[in-house]
Amino acid sequence: DAGVIQSPRHEVTEMGQEVTLRCKPISGHDYLFWYRQTMMRGLELLIYFNNNVPIDDSGMPEDRFSAKMPNASFSTLKIQPSEPRDSAVYFCASSFDTVAADTQYFGPGTRLTVL
Amino acid sequence: AQSVTQPDIHITVSEGASLELRCNYSYGATPYLFWYVQSPGQGLQLLLKYFSGDTLVQGIKGFEAEFKRSQSSFNLRKPSVHWSDAAEYFCAVASYSGNTPLVFGKGTRLSVIA
Repeated sequence: DAGVIQSPRHEVTEMGQEVTLRCKPISGHDYLFWYRQTMMRGLELLIYFNNNVPIDDSGMPEDRFSAKMPNASFSTLKIQPSEPRDSAVYFCASSFDTVAADTQYFGPGTRLTVL
Repeated sequence: AQSVTQPDIHITVSEGASLELRCNYSYGATPYLFWYVQSPGQGLQLLLKYFSGDTLVQGIKGFEAEFKRSQSSFNLRKPSVHWSDAAEYFCAVASYSGNTPLVFGKGTRLSVIA
């Protein structure tokens, strides 16, 4: 398997624009996680899905953020409108079974810069 | 709720020297404990994990960690550091039920000098 795939790897946009980040989890994994990493706040869990259903989105910072998982092999994280404080590295991860006890496999991340 | 503290933000060691990265957790029962490593520009990769049994856990790349319940610690060790070990290291904790997400520490950045 190619591992967790994220696109784009880098995104530079201007404040107010819509940003869509994409993730393809490892085939057969039931759980998908979206994280945000910044120097100030470290690694934060934004939302996670189980069998394509959002389970916990309490980490989503505000209504500007939304995530979907239309099928088992694809998820998106959308920011609309984007703001400079959204600049961060966004990681997608997937795991096979339980939400925490199983190994999480991380993608390479998307580095987002909002000007 | 569980929490993780990594007291050291940045550590520098000489190549060939031993390494110990500290991790303290807060959780009312026996937790699941993990160490992940993040190389520059990459995602996190699991080094090792502890669920139960032997408190000394072996991982990949020559790393090991010891669970000490009395100290609420899960420190990561390596007897001889290589330059390629330079990375960010994250400790993480999960509840024993395994039905709540991992909680990550803030990470410790390891620099290796010649």
